[in-house]
Amino acid sequence: EDQVTQSPEALRLQEGESSSLNCSYTVSGLRGLFWYRQDPGKGPEFLFTLYSAGEEKEKERLKATLTKKESFLHITAPKPEDSATYLCAVQIRGSQGNLIFGKGTKLSVKP
Amino acid sequence: DGGITQSPKYLFRKEGQNVTLSCEQNLNHDAMYWYRQDPGQGLRLIYYSQIVNDFQKGDIAEGYSVSREKKESFPLTVTSAQKNPTAFYLCASSMPHQETQYFGPGTRLLVL
Repeated sequence: EDQVTQSPEALRLQEGESSSLNCSYTVSGLRGLFWYRQDPGKGPEFLFTLYSAGEEKEKERLKATLTKKESFLHITAPKPEDSATYLCAVQIRGSQGNLIFGKGTKLSVKP
Repeated sequence: DGGITQSPKYLFRKEGQNVTLSCEQNLNHDAMYWYRQDPGQGLRLIYYSQIVNDFQKGDIAEGYSVSREKKESFPLTVTSAQKNPTAFYLCASSMPHQETQYFGPGTRLLVL
């Protein structure tokens, strides 16, 4: 069964304290892995797409990496405005495009 | 401004009532999707449509119906057969042959 697991469920950081969020996946064939940011009561905001092991993408304080079994979202020197829930999703090769989501990691950054 | 709009932001349903959630996009995307989000769970796919006048059931389609008469619009009806409709409903769309899905702001459905 195709599955996506995110850890930890929640993460509390002090401002400036770097850390990583994990997304592990078990799928029949990966077409793409996606990271989204979701603020309370809002729709997910697209961050990154990764397609192959070894690929990395960066945006401001965020860097996403991909291996054959998992992806990491590294947050460098986070600020309070980085507080949100971060969602990971995978798309299966041969599917019609629908995404399988993990449950998310809720990040809180305290000043 | 291009984007995806969902309305209403909040919707209240009475027992036995059908309600319809609106999703409109002006991104010229062919594919559109409906997801349901419950606390502590990942987003789950309800229905999706790759082209006009065609749609497929997702993982949790029971108690829901959709139509796709126009490229820009993909309304979702929550029928009285859906016994636990309270959730946050999200609509998404994507370009043809592109994987990235972009989401609307969501509709929160509550039961009176």
